[in-house]
Amino acid sequence: EAQVTQNPRYLITVTGKKLTVTCSQNMNHEYMSWYRQDPGLGLRQIYYSMNVEATDKGDVPEGYKVSRKEKRNFPLILESPSPNQTSLYFCASSRAVYNEQFFGPGTRLTVL
Amino acid sequence: KNEVEQSPQNLTAQEGEFITINCSYSVGISALHWLQQHPGGGIVSLFMLSSGKKKHGRLIATINIQEKHSSLHITASHPRDSAVYICAHLPSPDKLIFGTGTRLQVFP
Repeated sequence: EAQVTQNPRYLITVTGKKLTVTCSQNMNHEYMSWYRQDPGLGLRQIYYSMNVEATDKGDVPEGYKVSRKEKRNFPLILESPSPNQTSLYFCASSRAVYNEQFFGPGTRLTVL
Repeated sequence: KNEVEQSPQNLTAQEGEFITINCSYSVGISALHWLQQHPGGGIVSLFMLSSGKKKHGRLIATINIQEKHSSLHITASHPRDSAVYICAHLPSPDKLIFGTGTRLQVFP
């Protein structure tokens, strides 16, 4: 089954404790992206990747890192999480940004 | 100011009504996505438009490149159509900018 998986689905952590949210797709997609969704602000792009070893900043990259060492995986790293990073995070993939976007199920992160 | 404006923000309808959701964008190239976010949070892609009109079942999406405007129509609405509908446009060939969504509730 074609899908995008994210783990964990729910996470409560404390300020400053490094964490990684994994994202994996099985569709051989070139384009992958991370978004955060906050009430009243909608979805905002954090980072995106056009292909392996090619990542770039979206609109809200501060406090986040990503890597794309393999085509299927695109982890999101929070080196020192802060409460303002409490949000709902989505990973998505597609053949290209013009094509149908496939979204993961979301990760609800709370930083205390 | 968001580069993508959706209207209305909230919409209620009776089952069977014709629904229209609007999306306007200020800059960027001429392509736009429509997405649906279910009450449980999952997001699915409905359409990607670069011109004209697309139809899938009871959903129709149109785009007017000159006016930088797109509409999503739902014919014969049903309670299962209740969701948040989000448009996203491409300000460049590698990024997406999203509207804040339209929350639709369809009552039996």
